Amino acid sequence: DQQVKQNSPSLSVQEGRISILNCDYTNSMFDYFLWYKKYPAEGPTFLISISSIKDKNEDGRFTVFLNKSAKHLSLHIVPSQPGDSAVYFCAASESGGSNYKLTFGKGTLLTVNP
Amino acid sequence: DADVTQTPRNRITKTGKRIMLECSQTKGHDRMYWYRQDPGLGLRLIYYSFDVKDINKGEISDGYSVSRQAQAKFSLSLESAIPNQTALYFCATSEQTGVGTDTQYFGPGTRLTVL
Repeated sequence: DQQVKQNSPSLSVQEGRISILNCDYTNSMFDYFLWYKKYPAEGPTFLISISSIKDKNEDGRFTVFLNKSAKHLSLHIVPSQPGDSAVYFCAASESGGSNYKLTFGKGTLLTVNP
Repeated sequence: DADVTQTPRNRITKTGKRIMLECSQTKGHDRMYWYRQDPGLGLRLIYYSFDVKDINKGEISDGYSVSRQAQAKFSLSLESAIPNQTALYFCATSEQTGVGTDTQYFGPGTRLTVL
């Protein structure tokens, strides 16, 4: 029973265009969300996060949007660069007593073509 | 130098063998974790430790054991490896912030193959 779903296994975009990666969750107790990026032969690295008290968080080219009513979040990368090509994992947690536990999606492979 | 290191990076072993995967960190974090990743799946938590004397099972701990030798070292053992333990294993660390959720920092991973 997947609580965090990334329904697109892969996404291909042109350099300079926008990349939109989507994530859905089913557990209404989740109130903190993170995106991690993973290159081959490396561990995941933290990219950006958002608390449920916000609906948007921006960090440079990366913006995460949260729609609590739809239990949906998305990561926007603008403009996309070839170096952004990686697997992106969405993760969610309950920030109260279990604030260590991350539930991960399966990941989306983003390919940015020059 | 990497903040979170894992050894070995690759290991091939046979069914029934005992295997130990090691993790060291220089971040000074109290919390350490072991995850596994299978093809097409997200990361799943095996064990976690909040300090040297506090070790807890994650969602898939069967067949695994851990040892927290020091604040900086956390080892994962497979007492008798089986083929379905073939996976990519990641160690992670975090610092308790008391606000929101800890951001976890991952090592480079160990690719384990059990024949």
